[in-house]
This record gives sequence, structure tokens and C-alpha cells, in this order.
Amino acid sequence: GQQVMQIPQYQHVQEGEDFTTYCNSSTTLSNIQWYKQRPGGHPVFLIQLVKSGEVKKQKRLTFQFGEAKKNSSLHITATQTTDVGTYFCAGPGNDMRFGAGTRLTVKP
Amino acid sequence: DSGVTQTPKHLITATGQRVTLRCSPRSGDLSVYWYQQSLDQGLQFLIQYYNGEERAKGNILERFSAQQFPDLHSELNLSSLELGDSALYFCASSEGTGGADTQYFGPGTRLTVL
Repeated sequence: GQQVMQIPQYQHVQEGEDFTTYCNSSTTLSNIQWYKQRPGGHPVFLIQLVKSGEVKKQKRLTFQFGEAKKNSSLHITATQTTDVGTYFCAGPGNDMRFGAGTRLTVKP
Repeated sequence: DSGVTQTPKHLITATGQRVTLRCSPRSGDLSVYWYQQSLDQGLQFLIQYYNGEERAKGNILERFSAQQFPDLHSELNLSSLELGDSALYFCASSEGTGGADTQYFGPGTRLTVL
């Protein structure tokens, strides 16, 4: 199965600052998914990207899929305390490969 | 609420023991996945079942086994438990065989081995 690498592992920001997490694969991905896990919670699906160069927005969250379909990013504008959690990207496959996750903490 | 249920919520046991974790998928979902998440770690894929058959295997130890029953619920059996097996165990379900499927996660079972 395909493996995805995710950076950074941790990110601590001041409320109102922007945040970005990156996901990279050595092989072309047919699709990529993003999940969010709140502290003490379980992963929850956020979005799936399929097309080369695709950009999708969910309020303050912007998801991008690279032109070569080997990388993806999640950008949060003006973070809020409700954004706290771990963000995972996941490559396709029967044994879906989750990235290690980026843990975001937000200081009020 | 994802529609995926897991029991028990918490489990405390001793080294060398055997436990069974149970998962009921969302209505209509045929795939069940099991993941292990150690403290502050990522999600380690263990195994996937689709409609009763093993579909994919990840980093699952030989001491661990799973099965999916005709009613599609799944059980993960962990035996000869070690301290290092203490973790959160998540079950997820999806409609199809994987690939582009969205996975819906249950609330998890927190296993503590003393």
C-alpha cells in the first residue's frame, strides 16, 4: 500500500494565526482524504480530494491536492481554539495509510 | 455520532490475559477496519474485513486476531497481553472495499494492561 508522510508533527499557534500541514507521497495518489481528531475523540472525516490541482474550501479550511497528485495540504486561516486537534491525511488503498498526523494547539 | 459502536469503552486487564473488543459498523457498511493508537501516536492499521472475509492486513501481531461475523459486526481478540499493548483501539467502517471510501470511526476502546 501507499504511504504518506506528514509534517510538521506538532504546531503551536496563537489564536488568529494561520496553520498549514503538509502531506507527501512518493507515488501518485488516486485520492487523498483528511480527517480531524479532537483531543479525547475519534478521527472524523473532513474531505476527499481526487483531481489534480484540486482546491476545496470549508469555511476557514482550505485543502489542496498537488498537480502531480503526490502531495496535499490543509491550511487553516485565523485559527480558533475550536481548531485544536490532530489532523491526519490518508492515502487510498484497502489498508488505508494514515499519515502520522499534525497536532495543532492554539493559545487563546 | 458516526453510527459505529464499540464496546467496551474502557478495559483494564493484566499482562498475559486475553480480551475481546467488539465493533458494530454503520448500517449498510460492509467493511470493518481495526486501528491501534498508542499514546500521542498516529493510527496503526491492523486489519480490514469486507463482508466477512479478510481483505487487508497491516501491522497486526500474531497474538492478535480478528473476525467479522455474518451480521457484519467484528471482534478483535488480543491475547498474551503485554504492557506495550496498552492503547486506544479504533474500529472504522465503510461502504465498500476501501480505496476512495470514507471511513467512519467508532469512539474507541481504551485498553490498559497492568
